[in-house]
Amino acid sequence: NAGVMQNPRHLVRRRGQEARLRCSPMKGHSHVYWYRQLPEEGLKFMVYLQKENIIDESGMPKERFSAEFPKEGPSILRIQQVVRGDSAAYFCASSEIRQGSAGANVLTFGAGSRLTVL
Amino acid sequence: AQSVSQHNHHVILSEAASLELGCNYSYGGTVNLFWYVQYPGQHLQLLLKYFSGDPLVKGIKGFEAEFIKSKFSFNLRKPSVQWSDTAEYFCAVNALGGSQGNLIFGKGTKLSVKP
Repeated sequence: NAGVMQNPRHLVRRRGQEARLRCSPMKGHSHVYWYRQLPEEGLKFMVYLQKENIIDESGMPKERFSAEFPKEGPSILRIQQVVRGDSAAYFCASSEIRQGSAGANVLTFGAGSRLTVL
Repeated sequence: AQSVSQHNHHVILSEAASLELGCNYSYGGTVNLFWYVQYPGQHLQLLLKYFSGDPLVKGIKGFEAEFIKSKFSFNLRKPSVQWSDTAEYFCAVNALGGSQGNLIFGKGTKLSVKP
């Protein structure tokens, strides 16, 4: 039973390029969450998705960032026209049940994708 | 807005010393509470969680945490640390109900255990 799979583990981009980070949730999990970890900071929530739906994107920057979780395939976090400040570790997590509900399952995290913008 | 405070940025201990890492949160309603650990080069792993019931929670590797509702605290403890406990520890809170469904993390505490 593979855990949450993220790829690539490391991604290097030059300013202005696009970054695509992929996340396959644990088998049986239908809820996906993306978090960003900046140096010396804790994880910050970005977006919560279910299949074909964005449920909560309150943590997503207004521009250049987008996320999707299609019916088939992994969830994708896309960053257009990257800037140096986007350099961070991006973690994906999944759960069976929506967080914030009584009896919610814990989040299972992936190993993260470390983005470096030159 | 909800927030989680971890008071210690970096803690250095010798092996066999006792550990207590502080965590306070700001939210007046019902919460789920977590401690996650991130070993060097690895992903976040759940250490323990509190949903309801006994406020003293036992986790893996000899860790425990106590939920004190009146103090909005969920401190992590271990009676005797080992070198292998060197890692970063994150406290997290998840509010029940409302529109908040995501985990709010503290900034983390780095623990260095000297052999």
